[in-house]
Amino acid sequence: GAGVSQSPSNKVTEKGKDVELRCDPISGHTALYWYRQRLGQGLEFLIYFQGNSAPDKSGLPSDRFSAERTGESVSTLTIQRTQQEDSAVYLCASKRGANNEQFFGPGTRLTVL
Amino acid sequence: GENVEQHPSTLSVQEGDSAVIKCTYSDSASNYFPWYKQELGKGPQLIIDIRSNVGEKKDQRIAVTLNKTAKHFSLHITETQPEDSAVYFCAASYASGGNTGKLIFGQGTTLQVKP
Repeated sequence: GAGVSQSPSNKVTEKGKDVELRCDPISGHTALYWYRQRLGQGLEFLIYFQGNSAPDKSGLPSDRFSAERTGESVSTLTIQRTQQEDSAVYLCASKRGANNEQFFGPGTRLTVL
Repeated sequence: GENVEQHPSTLSVQEGDSAVIKCTYSDSASNYFPWYKQELGKGPQLIIDIRSNVGEKKDQRIAVTLNKTAKHFSLHITETQPEDSAVYFCAASYASGGNTGKLIFGQGTTLQVKP
């Protein structure tokens, strides 16, 4: 079946612009996560959705970052007034309920000039 | 909060040799420990995982061991092949009904298998 998809695959933007990154989880997966991966680093947790609610936003680095999820499906991560330090690969993962395995998408590579 | 340390950062082995990657974690409440393989330009893929009620798990050439007392776990790859070359990440999580299950990752190990 279809896996987790993300769009765009690459995004180049200028400092100060806003960007939106999209995640389409596996159908039926109620849990959705966003992670950030800086070059040569491990993944950092950003936010967790259960259904359309976000009970854990503890990883969002600043108030420039926000995310939403609708229809217990698609999620959008928005970064306002982008800074060069926001350059990274943003990964989305989903999982079905209590099952622990998280399935990752291919990521969106964000470059802020 | 949870912290995961991973070593080594790079590992080079000859084809057919074994490779071992080690991780330590800080939160004794963590009970789920997956290992992911990430190839260039792709998202991480789960290769094996272990839960805290088990000390060892094997899947063909891959095995993971867990020492809860010492709070460390290791990935063992035997009979390595060039296609095993990738970046490997360990992670830890506290997974229960009311918990987020968010993964805390190590920094990654770049494994190179030389033919």
